[in-house]
Formats: sequence, structure tokens, C-alpha cells
Amino acid sequence: NAGVTQTPKFQVLKTGQSMTLQCAQDMNHNSMYWYRQDPGMGLRLIYYSASEGTTDKGEVPNGYNVSRLNKREFSLRLESAAPSQTSVYFCASSADYNYGYTFGSGTRLTVV
Amino acid sequence: RKEVEQDPGPFNVPEGATVAFNCTYSNSASQSFFWYRQDCRKEPKLLMSVYSSGNEDGRFTAQLNRASQYISLLIRDSKLSDSATYLCVVNEENTPLVFGKGTRLSVIA
Repeated sequence: NAGVTQTPKFQVLKTGQSMTLQCAQDMNHNSMYWYRQDPGMGLRLIYYSASEGTTDKGEVPNGYNVSRLNKREFSLRLESAAPSQTSVYFCASSADYNYGYTFGSGTRLTVV
Repeated sequence: RKEVEQDPGPFNVPEGATVAFNCTYSNSASQSFFWYRQDCRKEPKLLMSVYSSGNEDGRFTAQLNRASQYISLLIRDSKLSDSATYLCVVNEENTPLVFGKGTRLSVIA
């Protein structure tokens, strides 16, 4: 029962470097999401994909891009990392909007 | 921004105590309501959905008051293992969930 798998778990980047966070779910869920969590700020939605082939901006999309590669996979890309993107990133999936989400275990990203 | 407000705490309670958290939401069109639990440095996990009629799961009771736009979580007979942050979550129909910032609970022996 893998659920939602995120890679990597930890990453340190230098300012200006790029990287892609990977997320895959094996629950046949239609919807997938990327959140970031910062101390005192709670979970903030970056991008989401309601279904395969669609993506939409969330509350804090600047500096990020996403790809819904297929029904299982939803990746998040930082093209030019900035220290303000230091955060914990969570991927989640759900059958649809009105159901609870299953989260991955997170990626702890530090940009120096 | 749709707002979900919670008292951040911390709530420090002794084992065996009853503790209640409230959460208010700003969007009267909200349709679905949940409580999530998040342990330190872990991902959030669904604790329970909140239904209009209220619902109970063991020591946990959730209630919804649509007129006043708040939901509550009651924990009876607190255990050390209940120590965590509890996230209030709401959404309108067909939109992503909106998470509150969480209420931190510490159960003390």
C-alpha cells in the first residue's frame, strides 16, 4: 500500500539551480495537488490537477511549473530556485475535490 | 483568499482530560469539512470528515454549525499519543481544500 510517493525526501539547492520534485500515486485518483508548508503559514496550494490533462494555479504558483504526466504522476519544477522557496513540499491526491486527500511524506527543500 | 481560522494553541492538557477545538470559515458556500492530524515533521493525515448531523469516532466527536460557520473537534480521555497539530479543512464544491494553520495539542503525563 504505497499510496502517494514523493522523491526526493531531502534536497539542498543553490540559488538559481533547477530541480523537479516527483510525485506518484497508486490509488487511481483523479485529482492531484502540490502544497508547500512553512512555519506559521500553514499549507498553501501551489498547483493542482483536477484530472489527467489539466492543471491549474493555486494560491502561490509563482516560480513553479507542473506537469501531469499521466494519471499516476504529477511533478513540480523549480526553474530557478530562490531562498524564499525553502520549504516542505507535500504532494496529495484524491478521488475528486470533495473527498479527503492522501498526502505523500514530503520533500524538505533548502535553497542556499 | 478563502479563510479558515483556528486558535494556534498550544493547548497543554493532562492525560484523561477533555479538550475541544473550534474552527471558523469565511465562505458560506463551503460544502465539505474535515479534520486532519499532523504529527511533527510528518504529512497530514485525515482524522475524520465532519457531517451536518455531527459524527463520532471513538473518543473523537466532530460537529458542524453552518449558521455560525464553525466546526468543532472534541477529544475525550486524552492520550499522550493525541499530541499533534489538528488542521481544520473546508472546501466549496469542486474546488481544492483550504487548510487552516492548525491547533497544536500537547497531552502531558
